[in-house]
Amino acid sequence: GEDVEQSLFLSVREGDSSVINCTYTDSSSTYLYWYKQEPGAGLQLLTYIFSNMDMKQDQRLTVLLNKKDKHLSLRIADTQTGDSAIYFCAESAGGAGSYQLTFGKGTKLSVIP
Amino acid sequence: DTEVTQTPKHLVMGMTNKKSLKCEQHMGHRAMYWYKQKAKKPPELMFVYSYEKLSINESVPSRFSPECPNSSLLNLHLHALQPEDSALYLCASSQDRAGNEKLFFGSGTQLSVL
Repeated sequence: GEDVEQSLFLSVREGDSSVINCTYTDSSSTYLYWYKQEPGAGLQLLTYIFSNMDMKQDQRLTVLLNKKDKHLSLRIADTQTGDSAIYFCAESAGGAGSYQLTFGKGTKLSVIP
Repeated sequence: DTEVTQTPKHLVMGMTNKKSLKCEQHMGHRAMYWYKQKAKKPPELMFVYSYEKLSINESVPSRFSPECPNSSLLNLHLHALQPEDSALYLCASSQDRAGNEKLFFGSGTQLSVL
């Protein structure tokens, strides 16, 4: 079955880089996602990567995928206080017409001014 | 318009009440979802509608009843809930269910059952 693991907490200083890690178990995953959730809000899709890619960069965000080790990471450059939130890793797996997301437990990022 | 709108934002109900949560999107998405999220936990999938037909029901108790009146609307009817059903209920939509499930989430309804 699918399982997505993340560390629960990360604390960084403003201006530093943050790296949030995730491991997954389903080798049939096609897409992997990072979602951000601020307090009292829904989830916001930050970025995603197709399983045949190694890296994707989008402004301050860099996603690295090691498919052999089933390891995904999200790097946030120049972390700001507004980046404080919970970050969920998610994988999409399944068959045609039946894809489903499995979320990790979320990493709470705290940015120290 | 890239929004998923949920109403109400907050709801307090007694165990004998009947209430409904509403969700609306105008992005032309053909898949819509209900998730339940307890505090400090990831969202848990409840129901998936694909092209207005219920395609997944994750063994949700019958006191939760989903309805998809048209491709833009998704409702969740609540009846005889228990206090442990208190949670944030999130609606989401995606283009379809063909493999790249870029989900757009609403802000959720924070439900308290007394």
